[in-house]
Amino acid sequence: QSVLTQPPSASGTPGQSVAISCSGSTSNIGINYVHWYRRLPGTAPQLLIYRNDQRPSGVPDRFSGSKSGTSASLAISGLRSEDEADYYCAAWDDNLSGGVFGGGTKLTVL
Amino acid sequence: DVQLVESGGGLVQPGGSLRLACAASGLSVSSSYMSWIRQAPGKGLEWVSIIYSGGTTYYTASVKGRFTISRDKSNNSVYLQMDSLRIEDTAVYHCAREARLDNGMDVWGPGTTVTVSS
Repeated sequence: QSVLTQPPSASGTPGQSVAISCSGSTSNIGINYVHWYRRLPGTAPQLLIYRNDQRPSGVPDRFSGSKSGTSASLAISGLRSEDEADYYCAAWDDNLSGGVFGGGTKLTVL
Repeated sequence: DVQLVESGGGLVQPGGSLRLACAASGLSVSSSYMSWIRQAPGKGLEWVSIIYSGGTTYYTASVKGRFTISRDKSNNSVYLQMDSLRIEDTAVYHCAREARLDNGMDVWGPGTTVTVSS
């Protein structure tokens, strides 16, 4: 059972938009930044969104992040087949004094 | 090129020890926030430990007292000493860098595999 809760799966067709949710608590998302990572098959995780809504250089603006209260969301627009991957949210947890990840969401592009 | 490369993984019996290394190039481990993250077979990512640029360390509850994170400025490397290994520690271990505190891990190594089995 992960500290941050994500749906195990999400799907969409090419060109569509999809949102992945991440639910936490007042000790993590409620007071700290949320970061999002993408793991393509056979590769190391990649930072997609940092500090709730910031995109690292090189990440397309099709990817956007938001946070409200103890929840966060990753939105992907203009879905492409290469977006098929596992997506993880992460945050620092003040009660645990450690980092926490969501369980991951497997995105399928139909 | 900014790069992290892990080494030191392998097969070890329960109760045994391993020392993982993470060699950095193109970045300074001493001025970064360096973490270890693992992924067990069929599971998601799990944060394991972090060492701050100032030297402060934190661990996930399941490894406290068994794992120790450290760094060597001369080798520009980060280490994870793993003692009293358990079967549930079996995973691919990645090291990763945050350039600033709570800024997201923007550089990751490909990982090294640790298998704990009798």
